[in-house]
Amino acid sequence: SAVISQKPSRDICQRGTSLTIQCQVDSQVTMMFWYRQQPGQSLTLIATANQGSEATYESGFVIDKFPISRPNLTFSTLTVSNMSPEDSSIYLCSGAREPYNEQFFGPGTRLTVL
Amino acid sequence: GENVEQHPSTLSVQEGDSAVIKCTYSDSASNYFPWYKQELGKRPQLIIDIRSNVGEKKDQRIAVTLNKTAKHFSLHITETQPEDSAVYFCAVHTNAGKSTFGDGTTLTVKP
Repeated sequence: SAVISQKPSRDICQRGTSLTIQCQVDSQVTMMFWYRQQPGQSLTLIATANQGSEATYESGFVIDKFPISRPNLTFSTLTVSNMSPEDSSIYLCSGAREPYNEQFFGPGTRLTVL
Repeated sequence: GENVEQHPSTLSVQEGDSAVIKCTYSDSASNYFPWYKQELGKRPQLIIDIRSNVGEKKDQRIAVTLNKTAKHFSLHITETQPEDSAVYFCAVHTNAGKSTFGDGTTLTVKP
């Protein structure tokens, strides 16, 4: 298994500002992903974080709004840029050692935008 | 892209009864089907998974069945306990390991 931590665990931000969320895995993983989960809803994949190259974004999510970095096999960041109240959500990162294998999730970052 | 439908959205059972949650998917190339349990305020946790070369898998009170021809798979929980109360998500892994999640089932086990 892998243990994933995220920082911060929660934050309250003002409209128009940006927040960077960090995701740390205790061992190397091949795949890392970022999800958004609205309260009471399912997980929506934002992007796949690729080591050393640009992330692969899902439909409806763009790099300018959600820039992602992954400098190595154990760390990734997601920035939520120019935030609006609609960005209020829980953001989760996950890692997997193989494409068709168990995903381990971080505890999530609860973001509130005022 | 992949389309995953999960039913029912809510399920209430008496302690000791069985619970069944079903998911259907659209992409016949999918070959990994995990189930996650998410308690309130917690992260999703894998409870059981199945791969496309297996029709059924069991782990104590939890089992998953897969019908690749019909493109559906189900979670079965027997002898339910109050601590089984949570939201359960099915997921389907498509190419490159991306997951598409079902909308979730809120299971309530009444003592």
